[in-house]
Formats: sequence, C-alpha cells, structure tokens
Amino acid sequence: AQKITQTQPGMFVQEKEAVTLDCTYDTSDPSYGLFWYKQPSSGEMIFLIYQGSYDQQNATEGRYSLNFQKARKSANLVISASQLGDSAMYFCAMREANSARQLTFGSGTQLTVLP
Amino acid sequence: SQTIHQWPATLVQPVGSPLSLECTVEGTSNPNLYWYRQAAGRGLQLLFYSVGIGQISSEVPQNLSASRPQDRQFILSSKKLLLSDSGFYLCAWSNGAGDDEKLFFGSGTQLSVL
Repeated sequence: AQKITQTQPGMFVQEKEAVTLDCTYDTSDPSYGLFWYKQPSSGEMIFLIYQGSYDQQNATEGRYSLNFQKARKSANLVISASQLGDSAMYFCAMREANSARQLTFGSGTQLTVLP
Repeated sequence: SQTIHQWPATLVQPVGSPLSLECTVEGTSNPNLYWYRQAAGRGLQLLFYSVGIGQISSEVPQNLSASRPQDRQFILSSKKLLLSDSGFYLCAWSNGAGDDEKLFFGSGTQLSVL
C-alpha cells in the first residue's frame, strides 16, 4: 500500500489566492514526522514545513501552513497569497520512527500559479 | 551556514560505461548523507545513506554503489551503467536522528544513459 498519497497531479491557482495541496498517509507507527518539499524547475528540493505526529498545533512557516488532521491521516499544505514563484512541484513526505532513515515521498503535485 | 555541492549538473553516458557522481557538504561536521533517485514525474527513491565515514547502507539492490571516503564527501558509482539508471539523482544531508530529521538537498544531477 502507498504510504504517502497525493491525489492531485496538477493544480492551478490565481495569483494572490490561497491553495490547498492534499496529502494522506498510512502508518501504524505512533511516532512519525510529515514534511513538505518544493521542487522548482531547477530541480533542487527545498524544505518547506514539518509537522510532528505529537504536535498539538498545526505547523506554520510564513505563507505555508500544514492542515494536520491526525484521525483522518491527512497533512494538507496550504499556501496563502500565491505568488508566481510558487509554481513548482510539491512533494509530501513521511518519516516513521521505526524506519529511521527512510523518508518516503509521495508522487507530487504540480502547482501552476496564474497571473 | 551549511551548503551542499553536487556535480555534474547533467551527464550523458553510454550503456556499460562507469559512473561517478560526487557530493560534498560544507559548514557542518559528521552529517548524515543520502543519495536519492527521481524517475521522471515521480517521487524520490532512497538509494543509499551514510551516518559516518565508511558506513554505507543500501536501500535498493542494484548495480550502483556508494562510498564515503571523507566526513563530508559522498560518492555514487557504477561500474557499468544500464538504461534503467537514467534519472535525476539528488544528494542530501541532515543532522540528527529523530523523526523530525530534515533533509537538505543539492541541486541534482540529470543522468541520461543512452
């Protein structure tokens, strides 16, 4: 079974609007971490935001926030006030405590911000 | 601040030729080092990781190998490339060992095996 599922291969958003990128995960480990990375066309993977499984509050980093719904096993990324530079591939990833070195990635969502 | 360098940026190699991709990290000591591969339009697959000099763990059996001759140097190699080795290779580093361990990636190498 897929450990990380990103069901949106592509998304479009108008500049200055907010957009939500979906991510669901599957684990039986009570301790895990969830990550979002951005990959622009240059190829580099850029760390955006982290959420721990025991964190009580949703993580926020500037215009990025993570909508963490533990019971539903979802960790959606919300980008507020989209900018043209936000156009990129976005990957959700998970690290389980009992698989210490394995950061498992989803298949990604291609976000395009329209002017 | 820490930086990671990866080269070359692009590489075109014939089937059966050797491969050597290099990655170095600056500004930190004893980092964890990783090699990932990304097939076109796909997520990342962990190939190798290293927690110290000479310590290499392989996640996927294949004709690739990795070495860590120095603390901040990580090399991905192959004696004979296959067509299926084509892809985008990313080196990454981290400090720490918990489930909050954040990876920081290099700019990647696009390998085309013809």
